[in-house]
Order: sequence, then C-alpha cells, then structure tokens
Amino acid sequence: SAVISQKPSRDICQRGTSLTIQCQVDSQVTMMFWYRQQPGQSLTLIATANQGSEATYESGFVIDKFPISRPNLTFSTLTVSNMSPEDSSIYLCSARPLEDLRNEQFFGPGTRLTVL
Amino acid sequence: AQSVTQLDSQVPVFEEAPVELRCNYSSSVSVYLFWYVQYPNQGLQLLLKYLSGSTLVKGINGFEAEFNKSQTSFHLRKPSVHISDTAEYFCAVGDAGTYKYIFGTGTRLKVLA
Repeated sequence: SAVISQKPSRDICQRGTSLTIQCQVDSQVTMMFWYRQQPGQSLTLIATANQGSEATYESGFVIDKFPISRPNLTFSTLTVSNMSPEDSSIYLCSARPLEDLRNEQFFGPGTRLTVL
Repeated sequence: AQSVTQLDSQVPVFEEAPVELRCNYSSSVSVYLFWYVQYPNQGLQLLLKYLSGSTLVKGINGFEAEFNKSQTSFHLRKPSVHISDTAEYFCAVGDAGTYKYIFGTGTRLKVLA
C-alpha cells in the first residue's frame, strides 16, 4: 500500500493568482495521477505525472493551465495557474505502486481550493 | 470509450436496512472494477475490487459486489447499513488496455436513524 499526503489541505485564493499543490507518497511508486473533483461531481483525470518527463494531459487540460512536476518517484506538484472561480474544486493526487493496471490507486486526502 | 453509469445520485436508507448501489459500465473488453468510498472532507478509500475469478467480491466494512458480465454491472450491496456508512460511493472501471480509471458520477448514501 501507499500513504499519500497533500499540502495544503485547503486554500482560498484570489482570481488571477496561482497555487501549487504538493503530493508526497511514503514509498516509491511508478505512476502518479492528478484528479479534479468539482463540487457535487465525480473525479476527472487531469494528467498522469511522469517521472523524468513531461506529464501526459487528458483532453480539456493543458500544461499552461496545470503545470505538473515529478522530480522523483515519491513526489509531485500540480500548479493551478491564473485561477478563476471555475477552478474551485477538490484536487486529488493518487498513486499506483506498480504498472500492473489491476492494482488499486491510493488517494491523498485532497486539496480543497476556493477561488474568489 | 469506456463509461461508467451510477444510476442513483442519492440513496436514503434507514439504519439496519439493506442497500444496493448500482453501477453499470460500457465495455466489450476485459475490465477491472472498483468501488471507492469518500467520507466527508476525506480522500477516497478502496472498498473492494474485481480483477478476475469469483464474481462475488467481498470488501471492507461488510460490503460486497457482484460482477455480472452479461449485464455489464457491478452493483454494491450491504445487508445492514450503519449511520457511519453515510458517504459518497464511486464505481470505477480500469480498462485492461490502458492504465487509466474512469469514475462514475457517484452515489450519495444517507443512512437515517
């Protein structure tokens, strides 16, 4: 298994600013993911954070808006850039210990972002 | 493309009553199926998963689910719910051809005293 922590747990930000969310895993993992959960909705995959290379973004998400770093096998950051109220969501980090698809994803507690 | 449908957005049920949360998926290829629970202000926790083998899967907290390939369903059941089961429940499908999960829209289970 993997224990995942995220910082900050919540934040209130002004329109036009940026926020960087940190995700730390207590063991080395091969795959890390970032999801968005808008109010009352399900999880939508933003991107896969790849160690040593650029993140792989899903349709509708772009690097300029959501730059992602993954400098090693236990850490990743997601930045929400030039924020607007529509970016108010819970952002969740997840990790999968092995590349075998069948293993579950472990989730962090999420970062609750409110943009004013 | 894969899709997951959770037919009920909210399910109210009295304490100690049975409950079934429905999940249907669309796929003609092998899939792996998961149920996650999200308690208020927390992340997601895995309840159970179906990878292969027996179609009846038992998970934590007394939950179980049955994989039905012909009906492409993976409904979650519990014979007797507790107040503490009040949470959001998400069904997810993992496509055997990719490494990504697709989540359903979630079902909010509210257990009433």
